Amino acid sequence: DAKTTQPTSMDCAEGRAANLPCNHSTISGNEYVYWYRQIHSQGPQYIIHGLKNNETNEMASLIITEDRKSSTLILPHATLRDTAVYYCIVRVFGGSQGNLIFGKGTKLSVKP
Amino acid sequence: KAGVTQTPRYLIKTRGQQVTLSCSPISGHRSVSWYQQTPGQGLQFLFEYFSETQRNKGNFPGRFSGRQFSNSRSEMNVSTLELGDSALYLCASSLAGGGTGELFFGEGSRLTVL
Repeated sequence: DAKTTQPTSMDCAEGRAANLPCNHSTISGNEYVYWYRQIHSQGPQYIIHGLKNNETNEMASLIITEDRKSSTLILPHATLRDTAVYYCIVRVFGGSQGNLIFGKGTKLSVKP
Repeated sequence: KAGVTQTPRYLIKTRGQQVTLSCSPISGHRSVSWYQQTPGQGLQFLFEYFSETQRNKGNFPGRFSGRQFSNSRSEMNVSTLELGDSALYLCASSLAGGGTGELFFGEGSRLTVL
């Protein structure tokens, strides 16, 4: 079973920041938080990952709480193309990396 | 550089038949994983191959099998197809120990079983 809990769906206005929460209260000390998204009928796409510090890349920012029990993915200026299902996954980095446990994810709808 | 390539993209089979799906990973990636995606169960891990060896296996019946070749290309096979095997089958490759640990997914093979 997935170790994360996410809201089923969220709406966001185009041009505004989209903040997607994720709860992972049973996360272990060596587990990272990964985010992927899946645009309709395509394969999932990696967005960002982090351990305990906040992370930022060209796609998004990841804010992880100090106790690491939850995190928020931030898309700073959402566009219509960001409409997708977003998955929050916790996993150990290194070793066998191919086994991701996907939950139901959050369906983000960006509206004009 | 080319992404993960899966063939065929679409196929239709009937119950009882078997099917073979192919995946070519990104050049230099040695790990290949397979996933099944259905509306009811979502994305579920099937198996992972590294250096021609199965390294991990999900909770699927023995009808689902796979293999990896020396050039890292992988195939998965489903025998004695059932209606419930209708799904999008996704392949993903990774550096396996290097990089960010991210998986790179292909566009998938959509299987319909009639």
